[in-house]
Amino acid sequence: GAVVSQHPSRVICKSGTSVKIECRSLDFQATTMFWYRQFPKQSLMLMATSNEGSKATYEQGVEKDKFLINHASLTLSTLTVTSAHPEDSSFYICSAHGQGGIADTQYFGPGTRLTVL
Amino acid sequence: AQSVTQLGSHVSVSEGALVLLRCNYSSSVPPYLFWYVQYPNQGLQLLLKYTSAATLVKGINGFEAEFKKSETSFHLTKPSAHMSDAAEYFCAVSTAGGTSYGKLTFGQGTILTVHP
Repeated sequence: GAVVSQHPSRVICKSGTSVKIECRSLDFQATTMFWYRQFPKQSLMLMATSNEGSKATYEQGVEKDKFLINHASLTLSTLTVTSAHPEDSSFYICSAHGQGGIADTQYFGPGTRLTVL
Repeated sequence: AQSVTQLGSHVSVSEGALVLLRCNYSSSVPPYLFWYVQYPNQGLQLLLKYTSAATLVKGINGFEAEFKKSETSFHLTKPSAHMSDAAEYFCAVSTAGGTSYGKLTFGQGTILTVHP
């Protein structure tokens, strides 16, 4: 099946710094990628939809200036958490929408654990 | 708008017993339905999906789910639980077209525990 990678898998940073997370589709082209965050013992919450070559669409309540998304190519989307604070600590997961139409599957990356001290 | 409700945040079964994880959905248009499994500190793996074809869907690892429109349900079952099935399971719904194209809405998740 399709493979999606994320880098890094785990990051610890100081409050106020920025952190970039990469999401790559390894063996297919993804025109659409999604970014989710998951708090401990909770479900996944969609943050934004990333479309190649255009601006990301953010869900209600998600600060676009804090969570910068860039989808520069058909295989790479990046999420930058700017001026991170402890409340941004979470598990961030990306997914890539495979080709094949609307019923096609989203393939998920392994996630990135962000800890802000 | 679409939503998913998973009944039971925790389900515990004995090895070899039937696994039943419940999922009910709400959607104003015909839905696409998915079950994903998540192991600790990992991403999600697709178990199976319903995309308006056969209502009984077979997935990986012996899991299957039946789409029942009249009950707005998509329950996940497995005849005989294995220790390796212990994980968290998420039901999700998406719809075709419009501003919700491709977006997945997840249920709250059900943690499955399998006892020896």
